[in-house]
Amino acid sequence: GQQVMQIPQYQHVQEGEDFTTYCNSSTTLSNIQWYKQRPGGHPVFLIQLVKSGEVKKQKRLTFQFGEAKKNSSLHITATQTTDVGTYFCYGGGADGLTFGKGTHLIIQP
Amino acid sequence: NAGVTQTPKFQVLKTGQSMTLQCAQDMNHNSMYWYRQDPGMGLRLIYYSASEGTTDKGEVPNGYNVSRLNKREFSLRLESAAPSQTSVYFCASERDRNIQYFGAGTRLSVL
Repeated sequence: GQQVMQIPQYQHVQEGEDFTTYCNSSTTLSNIQWYKQRPGGHPVFLIQLVKSGEVKKQKRLTFQFGEAKKNSSLHITATQTTDVGTYFCYGGGADGLTFGKGTHLIIQP
Repeated sequence: NAGVTQTPKFQVLKTGQSMTLQCAQDMNHNSMYWYRQDPGMGLRLIYYSASEGTTDKGEVPNGYNVSRLNKREFSLRLESAAPSQTSVYFCASERDRNIQYFGAGTRLSVL
């Protein structure tokens, strides 16, 4: 499947600060999904974006899909300790889908 | 609903030993997947099965075999374990629109 690149690999923030992770592809994505994995846990589906320019919100989390459908972002406003974990994007096209390598969110109280 | 169930949760093997990781889902999903997760490498696809009776190689299939026994079950076999196969293994099943549901994982150490 086509590759999706995710940055940054690690992000340290103070509790209350915002956090953003980005997912990029060199080719057009049919859709993009975001998953969260808590430390010691398994990935859990958060959301799927399908339409160009789509923006979805889940409480403090905002998900965006780029106009060209080649990139996506996950933004967390005012992080809390419960946000700790690794956030993965999952996307692709006709050739198949792959996971990004994930962004580890570390929160300092 | 149990969702996706993996057994065992933990396993320690010696180099050269064989074992089978079991996965079962009760959501009537057609597609099932096996991933391995290593630090800094994200989730890498080992094998997948789009439907009962079919299996296909993923990104890192060497050293592994799979069986899609029926619609519910998808097993992963290590015929001769190597230290490089020390990892966390996740099974997943896929609902429509590519949304995946993961099991709790098997933590495998090969000494």
